[in-house]
Amino acid sequence: GAGVSQSPRYKVAKRGQDVALRCDPISGHVSLFWYQQALGQGPEFLTYFQNEAQLDKSGLPSDRFFAERPEGSVSTLKIQRTQQEDSAVYLCASSLVSAGEEETQYFGPGTRLLVL
Amino acid sequence: GNSVTQMEGPVTLSEEAFLTINCTYTATGYPSLFWYVQYPGEGLQLLLKATKADDKGSNKGFEATYRKETTSFHLEKGSVQVSDSAVYFCALSPFQGAQKLVFGQGTRLTINP
Repeated sequence: GAGVSQSPRYKVAKRGQDVALRCDPISGHVSLFWYQQALGQGPEFLTYFQNEAQLDKSGLPSDRFFAERPEGSVSTLKIQRTQQEDSAVYLCASSLVSAGEEETQYFGPGTRLLVL
Repeated sequence: GNSVTQMEGPVTLSEEAFLTINCTYTATGYPSLFWYVQYPGEGLQLLLKATKADDKGSNKGFEATYRKETTSFHLEKGSVQVSDSAVYFCALSPFQGAQKLVFGQGTRLTINP
């Protein structure tokens, strides 16, 4: 079946612009995660949804970052007033079950954001 | 806090060589441990995992053993192939079911024919 998809795959923004990154998880997956991966580094956790509820947003680096999943499926990560340090690959992952059970996270291909 | 430290790359080996990529972790609880792999142009994929001490995860000829006494989860393969060329990430979940993954910085592996 279809995996996790993300769009756009590449985004170039001028400093100060707002951007919106979309994630389509695997159908039926309860949990959805966003990670930020800087060049040459491992992914870092940003936020976690269980269905439409955002249960953990401890990794969001500033209040310019906002994520939503209003219907418990598609999610959008929004970055307001982008800064050069926001340049990174943004990864989305989904998994079948809720917290409390160990389950594989399936990752999308990522959105590469470059802020000029 | 929770952190993962893995062997710095890049690592270059010849085909059929033995591979070890070291990974050590720091965790406040009883983490689950993972190895993810990212092939060129593809997304991260789970390679193997172990959820408790002394468990061995294995897949595609790769294996790693959860060693609580040394806080390690080293990745090994007896005979690598060109197709194993990828970036490998060691990761932990702070406790079983936490699902929030903490990743190491990744190790780029290149296998030459």
